[in-house]
Amino acid sequence: GQSLEQPSEVTAVEGAIVQINCTYQTSGFYGLSWYQQHDGGAPTFLSYNALDGLEETGRFSSFLSRSDSYGYLLLQELQMKDSASYFCAVVPDSNYQLIWGAGTKLIIKP
Amino acid sequence: SAVISQKPSRDICQRGTSLTIQCQVDSQVTMMFWYRQQPGQSLTLIATANQGSEATYESGFVIDKFPISRPNLTFSTLTVSNMSPEDSSIYLCSVEDPERRGGYEQYFGPGTRLTVT
Repeated sequence: GQSLEQPSEVTAVEGAIVQINCTYQTSGFYGLSWYQQHDGGAPTFLSYNALDGLEETGRFSSFLSRSDSYGYLLLQELQMKDSASYFCAVVPDSNYQLIWGAGTKLIIKP
Repeated sequence: SAVISQKPSRDICQRGTSLTIQCQVDSQVTMMFWYRQQPGQSLTLIATANQGSEATYESGFVIDKFPISRPNLTFSTLTVSNMSPEDSSIYLCSVEDPERRGGYEQYFGPGTRLTVT
């Protein structure tokens, strides 16, 4: 089977740092993507890791360890507008389809 | 990047009827995807639509229930046929980034919120 696991909910304080983990078990693996979705909105792409290591894009960073089948999204200097659901998604093969995690709801408190 | 529009944005339909959702992209793309998402849930892929070929459906979704058209590289439609209340959901179309093949970066339309009564 193919599965991705991520926490259902994470709570953090404005200005803090939060890490959202994602472990995966898939038949193939090209890379790990992260998406953000605000309530009532469409998912928007945040980052992609194909190789081990850290990718940084402004306040957001994403990490991948292929040997551990594990990745995380790191959000720094949290702002209230970061309150959203975050999905990890695996590209399992060259068919370009994504396998999606269940999503993590990030709640930010002032 | 790509800008995607969907029509209608929402609709309330009676059971037994059909609704066709349109997805328009501002650039030519090879692959378009149709998803279904219940509020607070993850995305479930319905089918992948390539221009010039039959759509590829995921397990649990059939062409008779969800026929898809892909007449050109910028447009696709998804029809939800013979609707029941269980079809109430948000339907999203997406495309791969036209400049980066690989599917890992997809752009989504705003979604169609369907309620079946």
